[in-house]
Amino acid sequence: KAGVTQTPRYLIKTRGQQVTLSCSPISGHRSVSWYQQTPGQGLQFLFEYFSETQRNKGNFPGRFSGRQFSNSRSEMNVSTLELGDSALYLCASSQGRRHGELFFGEGSRLTVL
Amino acid sequence: AQTVTQSQPEMSVQEAETVTLSCTYDTSESDYYLFWYKQPPSRQMILVIRQEAYKQQNATENRFSVNFQKAAKSFSLKISDSQLGDAAMYFCAYRRASGTYKYIFGTGTRLKVLA
Repeated sequence: KAGVTQTPRYLIKTRGQQVTLSCSPISGHRSVSWYQQTPGQGLQFLFEYFSETQRNKGNFPGRFSGRQFSNSRSEMNVSTLELGDSALYLCASSQGRRHGELFFGEGSRLTVL
Repeated sequence: AQTVTQSQPEMSVQEAETVTLSCTYDTSESDYYLFWYKQPPSRQMILVIRQEAYKQQNATENRFSVNFQKAAKSFSLKISDSQLGDAAMYFCAYRRASGTYKYIFGTGTRLKVLA
């Protein structure tokens, strides 16, 4: 069974630009979550989608948005990029059940210049 | 709000020795899950071990075991017979048992294994 796939793996943007990151979950997983990982801050929860509905959202500005498609694939978008948005963005999928664990992708490393 | 604290930014252990990573958390919930995730250098994060709060018995997975102290809100990870492949960032995480799949992670502990 294929794991969680994130694209692109690496990208460089400049301040003010926008970026879209993609995540394909494990087949059969209906829940997709996004996390921002930065040194010293650990992983910060961005949002979680289940069956195309956003179930929860973290404390990030409105520049961060996401969506989930009917095939469970998810995208997140960051508009008007700031230097502080440089981070590893991790996607994780889950069956969404009580005992379900998170399965992570390798992440998309965003550098904002 | 729930919080997870890992007070050890970095730990070192000799190969074949035992090491314990600490984690404390704060929550008013009674039903929840606790996890330890491992993130090897430049590789994806994987689940090491999971503990359900309503289970008193400490979880064990081969060389990995936890010491879960619910009243003290403590959840430490013990790695026995440490191997070079255990070198990684270890994250402690919390999740409510129902209603949300929002995980709260600690800031991580970098484990170095010395040959």
